[in-house]
Amino acid sequence: GQQLNQSPQSMFIQEGEDVSMNCTSSSIFNTWLWYKQDPGEGPVLLIALYKAGELTSNGRLTAQFGITRKDSFLNISASIPSDVGIYFCAGQFSGNTPLVFGKGTRLSVIA
Amino acid sequence: SAVISQKPSRDICQRGTSLTIQCQVDSQVTMMFWYRQQPGQSLTLIATANQGSEATYESGFVIDKFPISRPNLTFSTLTVSNMSPEDSSIYLCSVEDFGGAYNEQFFGPGTRLTVL
Repeated sequence: GQQLNQSPQSMFIQEGEDVSMNCTSSSIFNTWLWYKQDPGEGPVLLIALYKAGELTSNGRLTAQFGITRKDSFLNISASIPSDVGIYFCAGQFSGNTPLVFGKGTRLSVIA
Repeated sequence: SAVISQKPSRDICQRGTSLTIQCQVDSQVTMMFWYRQQPGQSLTLIATANQGSEATYESGFVIDKFPISRPNLTFSTLTVSNMSPEDSSIYLCSVEDFGGAYNEQFFGPGTRLTVL
């Protein structure tokens, strides 16, 4: 089946640093989404991208939908302790279809 | 966006037993999905819960092991049957709902299952 390659698998950063993570796919997706999962919780949607080349921000988060529709990145600026968690990318080919998830990036922030 | 609740939030079960997980949404939604997240892993789709008809299962998942009901547009259940320790996972309900500009997928808080 389809798979997303998400990197890095984990990151340890100092508070205040910027963070970047990305996902690539062997096939095209028409929607890219980024979720964050805290321990014991379900994933929470951070940013959704619907157009190739689209760059979208949500506070300190910025995500881009790659022009080839096969990749996306998420940047977090000026990290804070509450950014700790697992970040998942997900691709969706079309509406009403299931999501394909990356393996996640585990972010640790050192105060 | 839709608010999703799941029951139970967690359970510890004995091998060979079955557990039914409930998913309740505060609004009518067309699409509902069930995912499994094994310890330290990503999310894997089990099936799409179809209202009024049989669920659509992904490769590697079968109805006998994971029967699903979807009696209406706000509720679904997933049963994990004849459990073994390998079934220990977080089970997540997801719905597709209007997020303001487009339909987006939202997740419930999950059910953490441990099988002894």
